[in-house]
Amino acid sequence: DTGVSQDPRHKITKRGQNVTFRCDPISEHNRLYWYRQTLGQGPEFLTYFQNEAQLEKSRLLSDRFSAERPKGSFSTLEIQRTEQGDSAMYLCASSQGGAGNSPLHFGNGTRLTVT
Amino acid sequence: AQSVTQPDIHITVSEGASLELRCNYSYGATPYLFWYVQSPGQGLQLLLKYFSGDTLVQGIKGFEAEFKRSQSSFNLRKPSVHWSDAAEYFCAVGAPSGNTGKLIFGQGTTLQVKP
Repeated sequence: DTGVSQDPRHKITKRGQNVTFRCDPISEHNRLYWYRQTLGQGPEFLTYFQNEAQLEKSRLLSDRFSAERPKGSFSTLEIQRTEQGDSAMYLCASSQGGAGNSPLHFGNGTRLTVT
Repeated sequence: AQSVTQPDIHITVSEGASLELRCNYSYGATPYLFWYVQSPGQGLQLLLKYFSGDTLVQGIKGFEAEFKRSQSSFNLRKPSVHWSDAAEYFCAVGAPSGNTGKLIFGQGTTLQVKP
């Protein structure tokens, strides 16, 4: 078990640029989640996948955000035309779906700074 | 609305002293309940969870939490704090059925440990 891996760890970008983050979940986990955490706050749910299907999206996920999990393994989160308000830690988590005994395993996150 | 409140933003305790971190929630039914810990620059690690049954649950690193339905609380405790416990602690709730990965987190409590 190598854990959930996220890349890059840090990203600094200028306002208006596009950025893409990658998440590699634990290999046997079929569910993958994206959360956003701003300074001094707890994580907020953005979206989740079961295998390759994106099953739920938060209202926090504006049209500038898109997430994919094309083969049901790794996932990407893209932010287009970044804004300063997008600066946050983006956390990925995975779990083995099913009943309630499947806690989330989080990656170390990608910290985005928009200048 | 569903929410989680952690009334203490910052707590300082002496090493070896006991610890209690408070968590109150607002939810339509009894949710699944979780405590996570986050060290600086890291992802979240699950300390313990409550789904049903015994209202006193044991977790990793010597932590325990007690679910009190009448008070809508799920407070985290540790009898003797170690310097390595300094971190940020998050209480979270999830739906009692279906997708347990979509969690609502509190704002977090930062724990500082004095030598």
